[in-house]
Amino acid sequence: NAGVTQTPKFQVLKTGQSMTLQCAQDMNHEYMSWYRQDPGMGLRLIHYSVGAGITDQGEVPNGYNVSRSTTEDFPLRLLSAAPSQTSVYFCASSPRGAFYEQYFGPGTRLTVT
Amino acid sequence: AQKITQTQPGMFVQEKEAVTLDCTYDTSDQSYGLFWYKQPSSGEMIFLIYQGSYDEQNATEGRYSLNFQKARKSANLVISASQLGDSAMYFCAMRGGGGSNYKLTFGKGTLLTVNP
Repeated sequence: NAGVTQTPKFQVLKTGQSMTLQCAQDMNHEYMSWYRQDPGMGLRLIHYSVGAGITDQGEVPNGYNVSRSTTEDFPLRLLSAAPSQTSVYFCASSPRGAFYEQYFGPGTRLTVT
Repeated sequence: AQKITQTQPGMFVQEKEAVTLDCTYDTSDQSYGLFWYKQPSSGEMIFLIYQGSYDEQNATEGRYSLNFQKARKSANLVISASQLGDSAMYFCAMRGGGGSNYKLTFGKGTLLTVNP
């Protein structure tokens, strides 16, 4: 198993550009989440999904879009990048009924200039 | 709403000594769980230990133990026999009950430095 994979590892965007951060897991997990980590802030939940076709907002959803068309993939879209979205983004997955198991991807470091 | 508080921005410990990292939490859920993660300078999130709110025994995983005091709403991480490789950022996190089962709320972290 590759676990949770994220691409790209690093990305630099200009203000106003759009892009998609990719997240995939091969463990057949139903639950997937996106977090952002800012210096001194810990991780904060952006969006999450409890299964294919079902998504919901977390603590800091503004400026981000998600969809979940398959169990494996949970992409995060930045519609119009802003410097405030400079952060490290983590994707996580968890199997149904085992909420104590949270598997994190390696993260994507995004810089918006 | 859930809240995690880690009051120690940084901690220092001598190699081979034990260290306690503090974590207090606030929730109105009856069922919840507490996690500790380690984040080394390479950036990945490494799961260390988990404690469920109904678990009667304190969780232990090797050199890690979780000192769970429910009435005080604290879930401190104890690392015994510190090693140089334990130098990292440590995060306490919490999951709620019901529909919040799979959503984590994180504290701001504690940077642990192990001195030789």
